Amino acid sequence: GAVVSQHPSWVICKSGTSVKIECRSLDFQATTMFWYRQFPKQSLMLMATSNEGSKATYEQGVEKDKFLINHASLTLSTLTVTSAHPEDSSFYICSACRTVETQYFGPGTRLLVL
Amino acid sequence: SQQGEEDPQALSIQEGENATMNCSYKTSINNLQWYRQNSGRGLVHLILIRSNEREKHSGRLRVTLDTSKKSSSLLITASRAADTASYFCATSGTYKYIFGTGTRLKVLA
Repeated sequence: GAVVSQHPSWVICKSGTSVKIECRSLDFQATTMFWYRQFPKQSLMLMATSNEGSKATYEQGVEKDKFLINHASLTLSTLTVTSAHPEDSSFYICSACRTVETQYFGPGTRLLVL
Repeated sequence: SQQGEEDPQALSIQEGENATMNCSYKTSINNLQWYRQNSGRGLVHLILIRSNEREKHSGRLRVTLDTSKKSSSLLITASRAADTASYFCATSGTYKYIFGTGTRLKVLA
């Protein structure tokens, strides 16, 4: 099956720093990728839709200036958590759309902000 | 985004028993998918059912979809300890997938 990777798999950073998370589709091109956030024992919450070559579409309540998304190529989308704070600590998961029906998920990135 | 509701929130059964999880959603959909997530890990796709389908099988999994009631169920037969995980439904109207609240399943050996 298709493979989507995320890097890093986990990161610990100090409050106030920025963290970049990469999402790559390894064997297919994805014009659309999604970013989700998951808090412990909760479901995945869609943060934004990342479209190659255009601006990301953010869900209601998600600060676009805090969570910067760049989808510069058909195989790479990045999420940058700017000026991270402890409340941003979470599990971030990306997915890449191969077709309208087929969405492949990355393994996730665990962020801990101290 | 509006999440779907799943029930039960948690389910504990003995190995060999069947496990049933239900998912309700709010808007019209093109398809509904079920995923499994082991603790702290990524998502594993289990099964996709389209809006014009009523039932689908995959191994020990059986999924039903009732679009009139905006609900779906996932049945795992002859459960195993390895089935212990969280299970999520996800609905799609267009490209976006909206996840349900999830059911935490524990299968006791």
